[in-house]
Amino acid sequence: GAVVSQHPSWVICKSGTSVKIECRSLDFQATTMFWYRQFPKQSLMLMATSNEGSKATYEQGVEKDKFLINHASLTLSTLTVTSAHPEDSSFYICSASGLTGESYEQYFGPGTRLTVT
Amino acid sequence: AQSVSQHNHHVILSEAASLELGCNYSYGGTVNLFWYVQYPGQHLQLLLKYFSGDPLVKGIKGFEAEFIKSKFSFNLRKPSVQWSDTAEYFCAVNAGHDYKLSFGAGTTVTVRA
Repeated sequence: GAVVSQHPSWVICKSGTSVKIECRSLDFQATTMFWYRQFPKQSLMLMATSNEGSKATYEQGVEKDKFLINHASLTLSTLTVTSAHPEDSSFYICSASGLTGESYEQYFGPGTRLTVT
Repeated sequence: AQSVSQHNHHVILSEAASLELGCNYSYGGTVNLFWYVQYPGQHLQLLLKYFSGDPLVKGIKGFEAEFIKSKFSFNLRKPSVQWSDTAEYFCAVNAGHDYKLSFGAGTTVTVRA
């Protein structure tokens, strides 16, 4: 149980375009989802926290207008990278906490590799 | 916000050697502690976790970790590593009342056959 999927697993886009990444909890309801960014050989950096039906809470230094997060249902959150630039190239990982999971535990998706050319 | 430090950036071992990875955190209140592993090209997987109770926690694949509250530490151990343990290991902490995780920088473990 507690499976989280992400789509796509990798995407290449041109500079200036927007990219949407989906995060789904497959077998539980995720009241809270998290979006992380991971640079090569580095740790995960939390970008934002989203609760179903409310606005996301962004970490300091993360541009909310550039990284749009929507958590419209208990099983789906999306991250849209708007007007992407090469410096946005990274590995984006989502995680979810939910009603069937243990308290304070997050379940991680497989990640999405974004390359902006 | 709590911070997490992992002492070793890269550890190289031979098979059958013992492994210990250090993790310290800075937060004075109740914490939940986690170790995650990321195998090459794969996603994060939970190795073990501590919420409360016995401070010696056993996880999957023969890993264990010990929570020492007085030292703010949660070190990961494995008595005898295998080549398949080659991976990136992350320690993570959240405050007892919060879902948000703070991750350490990670330790790359390379096991030589």
